[in-house]
Amino acid sequence: QKEVEQDPGPLSVPEGAIVSLNCTYSNSAFQYFMWYRQYSRKGPELLMYTYSSGNKEDGRFTAQVDKSSKYISLFIRDSQPSDSATYLCAIPPPQLSFGAGTTVTVRA
Amino acid sequence: GAGVSQSPRYKVAKRGQDVALRCDPISGHVSLFWYQQALGQGPEFLTYFQNEAQLDKSGLPSDRFFAERPEGSVSTLKIQRTQQEDSAVYLCASSLDPGADTEAFFGQGTRLTVV
Repeated sequence: QKEVEQDPGPLSVPEGAIVSLNCTYSNSAFQYFMWYRQYSRKGPELLMYTYSSGNKEDGRFTAQVDKSSKYISLFIRDSQPSDSATYLCAIPPPQLSFGAGTTVTVRA
Repeated sequence: GAGVSQSPRYKVAKRGQDVALRCDPISGHVSLFWYQQALGQGPEFLTYFQNEAQLDKSGLPSDRFFAERPEGSVSTLKIQRTQQEDSAVYLCASSLDPGADTEAFFGQGTRLTVV
């Protein structure tokens, strides 16, 4: 069993829609949770990270962790075509265990 | 340079050929990681260095894969006798320290195609 499983997608949404991305993880000892964004033919870049449970907001992005159900989510509000990318949940440390990624396309 | 640099960007190898992939991490970064990303999948961990010490190589898929970082900066991932299943993007990442909340910065990857 992989340490982190991600809903595979792909997702195609109209501009302005809310995008919801989800992952589950297996080890309740994990403390940090990260979301990476990967544009086509580029390396992943850190989008957000959270520690423990709860919500964290950064502009149009909200990361949510529910440790009781071992569930992590990323929400993108008012999605833009520039948000079109693959989103990867990841768990450290020190090496990252990644989900399979969800490719999101935001249609103008 | 300001970021992680990988070379070559693209490599086509004939089956059975040896290849060497290079990673130049961000200057001063202690930790260096190699990942393998198959098409449509998330990156899979291969190996991890802290300075010149290879602390974890549990993700290397076979003994044909070898990585080194002799002076604690540049790293090379070598694949001997390449097979078609080795075709993937190989990503290198570096981070300032080994802490769990430390951001890892990725290079653009080397796309290896074995024909």
